[in-house]
Amino acid sequence: EPEVTQTPSHQVTQMGQEVILRCVPISNHLYFYWYRQILGQKVEFLVSFYNNEISEKSEIFDDQFSVERPDGSNFTLKIRSTKLEDSAMYFCASRIGANVLTFGAGSRLTVL
Amino acid sequence: TQLLEQSPQFLSIQEGENLTVYCNSSSVFSSLQWYRQEPGEGPVLLVTVVTGGEVKKLKRLTFQFGDARKDSSLHITAAQPGDTGLYLCAGAETGNTPLVFGKGTRLSVIA
Repeated sequence: EPEVTQTPSHQVTQMGQEVILRCVPISNHLYFYWYRQILGQKVEFLVSFYNNEISEKSEIFDDQFSVERPDGSNFTLKIRSTKLEDSAMYFCASRIGANVLTFGAGSRLTVL
Repeated sequence: TQLLEQSPQFLSIQEGENLTVYCNSSSVFSSLQWYRQEPGEGPVLLVTVVTGGEVKKLKRLTFQFGDARKDSSLHITAAQPGDTGLYLCAGAETGNTPLVFGKGTRLSVIA
């Protein structure tokens, strides 16, 4: 069954460092998402991406965050200068049409 | 801001018991979905409901969407230890608005 692949599975970084989380969505999907889940809290929407541009973003997705689809297959989330509170599981998701998302297994980010 | 409230937050039951978990909101959703999340993994879709009053069954799991499309329930019959996990509801206001998640119900089924 097609799946969304995320790398790395776990990244530890120092506060202030840049982090890039990578996702390979399902190949024929058109809409791409990043969500995050802080430990013990709910899954929160960050950003949606369609037709090579951001279609919607939440208040969490401030200027420190950016997304890119550099080569037609990868979908990346960059955090420019990480803060302690950015520590969370980051989930990539994709869909083809109807609002039914397929999630990746997540990337755990730990900011020290 | 749409909010989805799930209850109970935690539930621990014996194998063979029945249970119901709830997902409530003051907002109307065009669709509502139930996911299950295992530790260290992403949410996995169980079902999508789109019509008010709709009932869907997935083996021992029965999902219902409220008539007003503001709430939903998940009923598990004869729970098994394999049902243990975090159950999340998520709703979308329209077909293209991002899914909003509830905090989830953490279910533990004891053998």
